[in-house]
Amino acid sequence: QQQVKQSPQSLIVQKGGISIINCAYENTAFDYFPWYQQFPGKGPALLIAIRPDVSEKKEGRFTISFNKSAKQFSLHIMDSQPGDSATYFCAGSQGGSEKLVFGKGTKLTVNP
Amino acid sequence: SQTIHQWPATLVQPVGSPLSLECTVEGTSNPNLYWYRQAAGRGLQLLFYSVGIGQISSEVPQNLSASRPQDRQFILSSKKLLLSDSGFYLCAWSFTGDRGGYTFGSGTRLTVV
Repeated sequence: QQQVKQSPQSLIVQKGGISIINCAYENTAFDYFPWYQQFPGKGPALLIAIRPDVSEKKEGRFTISFNKSAKQFSLHIMDSQPGDSATYFCAGSQGGSEKLVFGKGTKLTVNP
Repeated sequence: SQTIHQWPATLVQPVGSPLSLECTVEGTSNPNLYWYRQAAGRGLQLLFYSVGIGQISSEVPQNLSASRPQDRQFILSSKKLLLSDSGFYLCAWSFTGDRGGYTFGSGTRLTVV
């Protein structure tokens, strides 16, 4: 009930391509879905987040798509750049709880 | 603005030795505080979280303990380290009721030898 399943585990994309990372959750009480970006040797940093009352949120080259009926959400990185190479984590939490449940992460490599 | 400090950045400790990792938050009061461990292929594992001084919740039975002696200080400890305690330890904070997500520290790379 508390799991967030993330795929793929690793992803290699060419510069200028689209990177897509998918997550699925089980807890229907989840109402907040953030994505974190982590560079090697650093702590994760909040990248973008969405609530289930919208189906899409875009910030620059980063877009979250949300499918409430399927209990799935995904991160799309348009025009991927080598500087986007990092590990990305999706997460979910429910109202009244301060705890985030994280996926296992996706290591993205963008080749120049 | 709020900042989170975590130290040391790297640590090499022998098996059976004690451990103390410290995390402090500046610029805020009564934050929620978290300790995570990150191991290769296992993502971010929540170890402990605290909603106030002296209030500690443990998520995973293990060789570690946590304490919150002051409002903005969170300490991760062990009396005797195991090889399996090696990993990247991350402290994070959030506001109660604020769904703006967590702010993570820069982490401590612990190697138990």
